[in-house]
Amino acid sequence: DAGVIQSPRHEVTEMGQEVTLRCKPISGHDYLFWYRQTMMRGLELLIYFNNNVPIDDSGMPEDRFSAKMPNASFSTLKIQPSEPRDSAVYFCASSLGRRTEKLFFGSGTQLSVL
Amino acid sequence: DAKTTQPTSMDCAEGRAANLPCNHSTISGNEYVYWYRQIHSQGPQYIIHGLKNNETNEMASLIITEDRKSSTLILPHATLRDTAVYYCILISTLYNNNDMRFGAGTRLTVKP
Repeated sequence: DAGVIQSPRHEVTEMGQEVTLRCKPISGHDYLFWYRQTMMRGLELLIYFNNNVPIDDSGMPEDRFSAKMPNASFSTLKIQPSEPRDSAVYFCASSLGRRTEKLFFGSGTQLSVL
Repeated sequence: DAKTTQPTSMDCAEGRAANLPCNHSTISGNEYVYWYRQIHSQGPQYIIHGLKNNETNEMASLIITEDRKSSTLILPHATLRDTAVYYCILISTLYNNNDMRFGAGTRLTVKP
């Protein structure tokens, strides 16, 4: 398996623009997580899905952030409008079932909002 | 609120054992202790996990105290490639309680 695949690897955009980050989980995994990492706040859980259904979005910073999982093999995290303080590395991770809870992380998307 | 406490940083000599401590004094009976590490610019990587008993795999050993209030991750023969941030986190097996929240971790530097 290719592992968790995220795209793009790097994204540079201007303040006010819409940003869409993409994630393809490992085939067969039923949990998907979105994390954000900054120097100041460390690794933060934004939202997670189980069987394509959002379970906990309490970590989503504000209404400018939204996440979807239209099917088991694809998820998006959208920021609209983007702001400089959204600059961070965004990680997607997937796992097989809650009992194992062994997360497999993607390589991340480095987002820079100018 | 952080459920685990780890030292901010540690050094280890190459070839020696690296012992990374983690305090989790409020751990619940249904919470596992998980360890992940993050090498610079990469996503975190799973290392090992345990509930009560000590565990060992090809990467590391996990020692959990009898009262479960603390644990130690042991890298038996540290190499330069083990330089990373190591996270100790607690995961509950309660239904629908699957929040994987990471703290600041321990920055381990393996020196030649």
